[in-house]
Amino acid sequence: QITLKESGPTLVKPTQTLTLTCTFSGFSFTTSRVGVGWIRQPPGKALEWLAIIYWDDDQRYSPSLRSRLTITKDNSKNQVVLTMTNMDPVDTATYYCAHRPRYDNNFLGPFDIWGQGTMVTVSS
Amino acid sequence: DIQMTQSPSSLSASVGDRVTIACRTSQDISNYLAWFQQKPGKVPHLLIYAASTLESGVPSRFSGSGSGTDFTLTISSLQPEDVATYYCQKYDSAPLTFGGGTKVEI
Repeated sequence: QITLKESGPTLVKPTQTLTLTCTFSGFSFTTSRVGVGWIRQPPGKALEWLAIIYWDDDQRYSPSLRSRLTITKDNSKNQVVLTMTNMDPVDTATYYCAHRPRYDNNFLGPFDIWGQGTMVTVSS
Repeated sequence: DIQMTQSPSSLSASVGDRVTIACRTSQDISNYLAWFQQKPGKVPHLLIYAASTLESGVPSRFSGSGSGTDFTLTISSLQPEDVATYYCQKYDSAPLTFGGGTKVEI
């Protein structure tokens, strides 16, 4: 059974750097050619994809946020870390991490398992 | 970048109604289109992938169709538990963009 759980601060100040950790179980990057991504959702607004990292360390970012984001992974800890610099109140949102599977036909699928999300508020 | 446009942004229908939600992309994405359901206060849940393949456990009243740039999510007989916001997402290549969502009410 695949599970993911986000952790990190609930409150950050403007201009600070946010660091979020996704700890997962039920799969491993060393044995599964899959990806783990981050998605956020401001209160009452739509989902926004942020970044993804794959088993081979390939990283992809949202073009509009690329300059502020870094995604890394720690295979030994089964964790994926997202950092976002220069936080602003508009970055207040629930942040989700999610598993991107590889199907039997060897194609990558959409996010099939999501974490519960973690709410981050940006305020002084 | 590819734009994802969902319509309508919201709708109200009666129990038993057939409901259709559209998703249009600005470029051809073949069938790399997924639909998610997000109930109020809950985590998004994958309903359909590859434009028309139902995820395991999803009720058969949900169906998806389309390819290229135009896609549709249909609920054949709306149920009270289907009250949610529905999102489409492209997953052919990055950016893995979501549509703006369609809120379904009864």
